[in-house]
Amino acid sequence: EAGVTQFPSHSVIEKGQTVTLRCDPISGHDNLYWYRRVMGKEIKFLLHFVKESKQDESGMPNNRFLAERTGGTYSTLKVQPAELEDSGVYFCASSQERRGGFLYFGPGTRLTVT
Amino acid sequence: AQSVTQLDSHVSVSEGTPVLLRCNYSSSYSPSLFWYVQHPNKGLQLLLKYTSAATLVKGINGFEAEFKKSETSFHLTKPSAHMSDAAEYFCVVSGGFNDYKLSFGAGTTVTVRA
Repeated sequence: EAGVTQFPSHSVIEKGQTVTLRCDPISGHDNLYWYRRVMGKEIKFLLHFVKESKQDESGMPNNRFLAERTGGTYSTLKVQPAELEDSGVYFCASSQERRGGFLYFGPGTRLTVT
Repeated sequence: AQSVTQLDSHVSVSEGTPVLLRCNYSSSYSPSLFWYVQHPNKGLQLLLKYTSAATLVKGINGFEAEFKKSETSFHLTKPSAHMSDAAEYFCVVSGGFNDYKLSFGAGTTVTVRA
């Protein structure tokens, strides 16, 4: 079984530019999550999809971040325009069940904004 | 509300000696507790989880953790460290209705000396 995959693994962009991160969950997993680890901080929840619907986006830092999951398969997270404080590692996770905390995580995308 | 404190940011052990990673939690709910591990360039992998069953939880690769409610602790141990245990370890708590929103500790980096 293929795990959660994320693309790209690394991205370096300049302040003010746009970046789009992609996540492919495990096939059949309706629940998809985005988490983020900003340098020196804990990993924090960003949002949760069930199929194509956003169930909880309470962790999204501001309206420069836009997450989509068209068709309920892969998801994208766009940052526009990027700021220096957006640098960090963005993790995607998926699960079959909504409850229980057993999430399968991807390797993360390391975003550097210069 | 819930939070996790990992008491050591870095632990260094010799191969073949015991490993102890300390974690304290707080939660307004009956918590579920997890340990995740991240090896370089890999995703976060679940080591073990506690969900109100047995207080001593066994995980993969010889790790185990003990839930102590009176001490609000969930320390991770392994009797004999192996070189492949070098990684970053995260203590995680979830609970309540939104238990997909995991709260991560800051992480403990383990190095293993030959």
